[in-house]
Amino acid sequence: GAVVSQHPSWVICKSGTSVKIECRSLDFQATTMFWYRQFPKQSLMLMATSNEGSKATYEQGVEKDKFLINHASLTLSTLTVTSAHPEDSSFYICSVGTSGRDTQYFGPGTRLTVL
Amino acid sequence: DAKTTQPPSMDCAEGRAANLPCNHSTISGNEYVYWYRQIHSQGPQYIIHGLKNNETNEMASLIITEDRKSSTLILPHATLRDTAVYYCIVEMYSGGGADGLTFGKGTHLIIQP
Repeated sequence: GAVVSQHPSWVICKSGTSVKIECRSLDFQATTMFWYRQFPKQSLMLMATSNEGSKATYEQGVEKDKFLINHASLTLSTLTVTSAHPEDSSFYICSVGTSGRDTQYFGPGTRLTVL
Repeated sequence: DAKTTQPPSMDCAEGRAANLPCNHSTISGNEYVYWYRQIHSQGPQYIIHGLKNNETNEMASLIITEDRKSSTLILPHATLRDTAVYYCIVEMYSGGGADGLTFGKGTHLIIQP
């Protein structure tokens, strides 16, 4: 399977600041990456689909101006949480996929805590 | 995508087979059954998937009923490290990578020593 990394694994920030989370596909080129969010004791919720070289597609209810996604290369996608607030505190997980593969591979997740 | 129904939690003794059921009565003919699991505070891990035939790999077996309205994931010899939330997801095959996944609430499997 594919190896996916995320950085940082956890981050604590003050309210109003911005935080960038990186998702890297280490051993294959990912044309598509996905970003999920998971609140405590809840399931994963898809936030957006990131396609290399084009604008991300956001799920209903996800603010695209707050959650900025950049997928500039086939191995890196970034999620920037702008002007973070305590309600943005969550576990953010990315996954990678490409057409022709039969599954998705997930990163280890990033725990964001906004004070 | 079709919806799935899973029991919220299950217990299994270490060393025994863990059988996790999933109902997907509205599955369509071109939708696959996928299983993922999530160990606490980690990203989900792919386990297995199938269309209508039973499947087996090094992690588990997947049994799909003939009418495809339900399936069972079998972990043949459960260990403590198998304690996790198991998600059954039905998805139209598009190579797997083209669409985001819709996660339900899953089954919290607890392996008892």
